Amino acid sequence: SQELEQSPQSLIVQEGKNLTINCTSSKTLYGLYWYKQKYGEGLIFLMMLQKGGEEKSHEKITAKLDEKKQQSSLHITASQPSHAGIYLCGADFSGGSNYKLTFGKGTLLTVNP
Amino acid sequence: KAGVTQTPRYLIKTRGQQVTLSCSPISGHRSVSWYQQTPGQGLQFLFEYFSETQRNKGNFPGRFSGRQFSNSRSEMNVSTLELGDSALYLCASTLVVGSSTDTQYFGPGTRLTVL
Repeated sequence: SQELEQSPQSLIVQEGKNLTINCTSSKTLYGLYWYKQKYGEGLIFLMMLQKGGEEKSHEKITAKLDEKKQQSSLHITASQPSHAGIYLCGADFSGGSNYKLTFGKGTLLTVNP
Repeated sequence: KAGVTQTPRYLIKTRGQQVTLSCSPISGHRSVSWYQQTPGQGLQFLFEYFSETQRNKGNFPGRFSGRQFSNSRSEMNVSTLELGDSALYLCASTLVVGSSTDTQYFGPGTRLTVL
């Protein structure tokens, strides 16, 4: 089974709507990374979370890591077409080995104008 | 500061051939990691190099190899190509300050098609 599960697999929202993407781990996370990818291109770093209960925001995107450090959520407020893309969560399971990440399968976000 | 660069961006090869991909990390970054991305398996870790040494390795056959040069530039090689090797190959560079907050920054990828 997948070590890192993302849900939903795909999401279509109307511009201006809020949305949440979840990333659930089968084991404790030492670090959780969120990236965005345009189809067929490289990954753009969004945020990194490490501490249980941690929450970070950048512009209209907020990411949280739960207290048990096994689940993270990415929330987008007032979505825009520029938010469209594939959102990937990546995890460090080995405790400080940040150079070997395990990724979820991704969530494809479509924002309709 | 320039980002991670990968060359070539696109490559078409036939089964049985070999291929070499190149990655130049962000200036000053010392670690380079390689990933393979396919629609079926998603993004999978291949290997990571630091100071010209392979530190971490994923679960890929020995046909996949890599190296890192003294200027931190890295290459990966795939020998005896198979159809299933068709994928987007991504490299990521990390500064490495010994902190758990080190972050991987990705290049645009090399799209390899095996016919």
